[in-house]
Amino acid sequence: EAQVTQNPRYLITVTGKKLTVTCSQNMNHEYMSWYRQDPGLGLRQIYYSMNVEVTDKGDVPEGYKVSRKEKRNFPLILESPSPNQTSLYFCASSLSPGAGAPGELFFGEGSRLTVL
Amino acid sequence: GDSVTQMEGPVTLSEEAFLTINCTYTATGYPSLFWYVQYPGEGLQLLLKATKADDKGSNKGFEATYRKETTSFHLEKGSVQVSDSAVYFCALKNTNAGKSTFGDGTTLTVKP
Repeated sequence: EAQVTQNPRYLITVTGKKLTVTCSQNMNHEYMSWYRQDPGLGLRQIYYSMNVEVTDKGDVPEGYKVSRKEKRNFPLILESPSPNQTSLYFCASSLSPGAGAPGELFFGEGSRLTVL
Repeated sequence: GDSVTQMEGPVTLSEEAFLTINCTYTATGYPSLFWYVQYPGEGLQLLLKATKADDKGSNKGFEATYRKETTSFHLEKGSVQVSDSAVYFCALKNTNAGKSTFGDGTTLTVKP
């Protein structure tokens, strides 16, 4: 089954304790991206990757890191989480924008993070 | 830069009512346009899409037409059901661009 898998789905942590949210897709997609969803603010892009070893900042990259060492994985790293990073996070993937595909995104089920 | 403006919610309708959720956009070039739906507790999933002017996307009774002259992509359904209760997001993506731009989402509640 084609899917994007995120882990953990729920996490409560404390300020400053490094954490990683994993994301994996099995559709051989070149493009992957991270979003955060906050009430009243919609969906905001954090980082994206057009292919392996290629990453770029989205609209709200501060406080986050990503890496793309393999095509299927795109982890989101919070080196020193703060309460304003409490949010619902989504990973998404799609075929390469340059492949003629219209850029339809496939989303994971979300990871709800609470930073105390 | 690109932007998407959606009709503000929440929207509450009775079952079998007609639904319209407005979406307008600002973009350079010729973007593809999408409607995504998020059911409670789930991730977003594609509802329908259109890739060029005058294209009509449709799925599950929902429709939207890509109107370049009015830069709009309004979502419509003739008769909503309780199971359509969800958050609906309008989005655009420019060809070869790394970013998708989303509207703020519109929460729809359908009452029996």
